[in-house]
Amino acid sequence: QKEVEQNSGPLSVPEGAIASLNCTYSDRGSQSFFWYRQYSGKSPELIMFIYSNGDKEDGRFTAQLNKASQYVSLLIRDSQPSDSATYLCAFRPLNDYKLSFGAGTTVTVRA
Amino acid sequence: DAGITQSPRYKITETGRQVTLMCHQTWSHSYMFWYRQDLGHGLRLIYYSAAADITDKGEVPDGYVVSRSKTENFPLTLESATRSQTSVYFCASQGLNYGYTFGSGTRLTVV
Repeated sequence: QKEVEQNSGPLSVPEGAIASLNCTYSDRGSQSFFWYRQYSGKSPELIMFIYSNGDKEDGRFTAQLNKASQYVSLLIRDSQPSDSATYLCAFRPLNDYKLSFGAGTTVTVRA
Repeated sequence: DAGITQSPRYKITETGRQVTLMCHQTWSHSYMFWYRQDLGHGLRLIYYSAAADITDKGEVPDGYVVSRSKTENFPLTLESATRSQTSVYFCASQGLNYGYTFGSGTRLTVV
């Protein structure tokens, strides 16, 4: 069983819509969760991290964590063409400092 | 400049040659990592380091060697390059929130 599963995509959304990305993880004791954005040909960039159950908002991005169900999601509101990228979720397993990464979901925002 | 830098950005080498990819960070972060990223495989961990002189194998270490004599440097050496090592290589360091900051990457082509 993979440690991190992301919705495979690609995900295509119209400009101005909400893009919803989901990620499930296997380690129930995990404490830290991250979302990275990776533009084509570039390195991953940390855009959100969340530690507690519930929602965390940063501008147009909202991360949602549900530890009981072992999933974390990322909502991108008012999607813009500049949001077109691959989004990677990651978590830190209990008793480890290395992050486990999902394979990524590619988002295309069409004008 | 503060941050994490990788060099070279691009490298073409011949099969059988030794190649060293450089990684330098200015934050004095303890933890550093080397990943390779290939289409269809996502990020795969090659080696990681918890501190100077402490290194350990990741998921795909064969054919690679690392050293870490100073906290700020974490070079990755391909002892005898093979075509299967053609990839994009990312170095990362881990901050206090456990999130990684990635370098810009090295695109390596082995011919």
